[in-house]
Amino acid sequence: AQKITQTQPGMFVQEKEAVTLDCTYDTSDPSYGLFWYKQPSSGEMIFLIYQGSYDQQNATEGRYSLNFQKARKSANLVISASQLGDSAMYFCAMRVRTGNQFYFGTGTSLTVIP
Amino acid sequence: DTGVSQDPRHKITKRGQNVTFRCDPISEHNRLYWYRQTLGQGPEFLTYFQNEAQLEKSRLLSDRFSAERPKGSFSTLEIQRTEQGDSAMYLCASSLGGASFSYNEQFFGPGTRLTVL
Repeated sequence: AQKITQTQPGMFVQEKEAVTLDCTYDTSDPSYGLFWYKQPSSGEMIFLIYQGSYDQQNATEGRYSLNFQKARKSANLVISASQLGDSAMYFCAMRVRTGNQFYFGTGTSLTVIP
Repeated sequence: DTGVSQDPRHKITKRGQNVTFRCDPISEHNRLYWYRQTLGQGPEFLTYFQNEAQLEKSRLLSDRFSAERPKGSFSTLEIQRTEQGDSAMYLCASSLGGASFSYNEQFFGPGTRLTVL
């Protein structure tokens, strides 16, 4: 069975500082993809970044980077230079090769403090 | 606008009534997903279509739930005999999938918030 675990219900970060949101996953499938989504209070889910299980380098997209540690089964999201607009819920998700569905964690609520 | 759209955005209904939601995916996307999200939780997978074929259904999708994607374009999700436990945000997402396996990201619609009184 596939599972995503996000153990931080809420996080606070000072504006312009970096923050790491934790995500661990569990799957026996050797081929999988990991995704991070942002959900502002308005409700829409916004794709941020993707990491494939066979990717050799950690993914980066602007201020977002993914700290992928395969042996530890972790895929932490790092947001650099936090902005007030980063305040939102953040969800980690996974899809495995042998299935079609995406598995989501319970999310982390990030609040950026001015 | 070429994003995923959902209609209605909000629905309030009485217990026992039937409701139907519509999702229009991004036009070139052949994969369509329905999720349910309750307060404080991440989205939970309900069902998946590739073109018009419904290829996967979650155990969450009881026999009161039915989904269709008749021409491989828009999709509908119907809930019959609604219960208070059906109150949630219903999210639709679409993605582009080719013949070979790929991890294309999903693009989500704004959701339909259902309240069952």
